[in-house]
Amino acid sequence: AQKVTQAQTEISVVEKEDVTLDCVYETRDTTYYLFWYKQPPSGELVFLIRRNSFDEQNEISGRYSWNFQKSTSSFNFTITASQVVDSAVYFCALTLNTNAGKSTFGDGTTLTVKP
Amino acid sequence: KAGVTQTPRYLIKTRGQQVTLSCSPISGHRSVSWYQQTPGQGLQFLFEYFSETQRNKGNFPGRFSGRQFSNSRSEMNVSTLELGDSALYLCASSLWVITDTQYFGPGTRLTVL
Repeated sequence: AQKVTQAQTEISVVEKEDVTLDCVYETRDTTYYLFWYKQPPSGELVFLIRRNSFDEQNEISGRYSWNFQKSTSSFNFTITASQVVDSAVYFCALTLNTNAGKSTFGDGTTLTVKP
Repeated sequence: KAGVTQTPRYLIKTRGQQVTLSCSPISGHRSVSWYQQTPGQGLQFLFEYFSETQRNKGNFPGRFSGRQFSNSRSEMNVSTLELGDSALYLCASSLWVITDTQYFGPGTRLTVL
């Protein structure tokens, strides 16, 4: 069975600080996909990134960057120069690439960015 | 392109009743997945539909069911509602498979009294 652990339940930072959200996953499958989503107070999950298990390249998108390390089964997310609008709950998810594929989400990390 | 839409947005039911939630995926998307989000259990996968067939199912009792129509619209049904079914029900659509990027709707907030 697969599992996603987001050990940080809540993080609070001051605007312009950098912040890293941790995600550790477990699966025996060799082919899988990892995702990050943002859930603002409105409730709708917003897609941030999708990464397959064979692509360990780190990715940067504006102030967002992701560090995927298969050796430690981690897929961490860093926000550089955080802003108040980054305040939200962030979810990491794992989806298997099989006929029984299903998505497993972590419990989420609530990020509060204070002005 | 219009996003994923879900109706109704809010629903209040009493124990023992049944409820039907609706989801319209992004045009052209064939895969529709449903999730339940509660404070205690977090986000949990309910099921995925593709071409009117349930392709994957999470660990939920048989009271939770769904279907998909030929236009990819999907409905989920919960029978004999329990207090613990109070949750935000999220629908997500993707192009072909659940491993494609999923786009989520705003959710239906179900309250069971």
